[in-house]
Amino acid sequence: DTAVSQTPKYLVTQMGNDKSIKCEQNLGHDTMYWYKQDSKKFLKIMFSYNNKELIINETVPNRFSPKSPDKAHLNLHINSLELGDSAVYFCASSRGQGLSYEQYFGPGTRLTVT
Amino acid sequence: SQQGEEDPQALSIQEGENATMNCSYKTSINNLQWYRQNSGRGLVHLILIRSNEREKHSGRLRVTLDTSKKSSSLLITASRAADTASYFCATAGGTSYGKLTFGQGTILTVHP
Repeated sequence: DTAVSQTPKYLVTQMGNDKSIKCEQNLGHDTMYWYKQDSKKFLKIMFSYNNKELIINETVPNRFSPKSPDKAHLNLHINSLELGDSAVYFCASSRGQGLSYEQYFGPGTRLTVT
Repeated sequence: SQQGEEDPQALSIQEGENATMNCSYKTSINNLQWYRQNSGRGLVHLILIRSNEREKHSGRLRVTLDTSKKSSSLLITASRAADTASYFCATAGGTSYGKLTFGQGTILTVHP
């Protein structure tokens, strides 16, 4: 069974479009995250939710909007896609929001904006 | 800004050799974690070392932490071809929100 799953795995779209990436975890974790990994493999946190509440909101353009319908799901919606949004987006989860919890990552969604 | 920086950026060794990767960070931390990323996959947690710990072992992995030098090292002993991956250190500290700040990773290639 996949612990953290993301759909789709690949997403190719044109500039200006709106797209969503979905994430689900079946680990019973309270906290979920979205990360962006650029072409140089630099991984940066974007958002974090704990029990459906937004707790981390890094400096991300407001074209990016996360939504957590329940604590097992965290989706990422992106409006007006730009070339610079091309990257691999990872969802992750952890048991709690404290500092000492390991994070479990999904397989990633490779977004290509043309 | 980026917290952890790994060194070297790339490491190529033969099977059976040991691989050592280093991580330096800038601010005080609560703990430091190491993750592995196989090509095209998500990150997998390897080991967590707290700021009051100096060394930790897990199987063929040995992690050290020197808070006075703000650095950590990951040693993989008796490497295998399957260890080929990118290795990232991630630091946690400053808030209680579980925010991890990742370095840029070391690409390890183990030749059979």
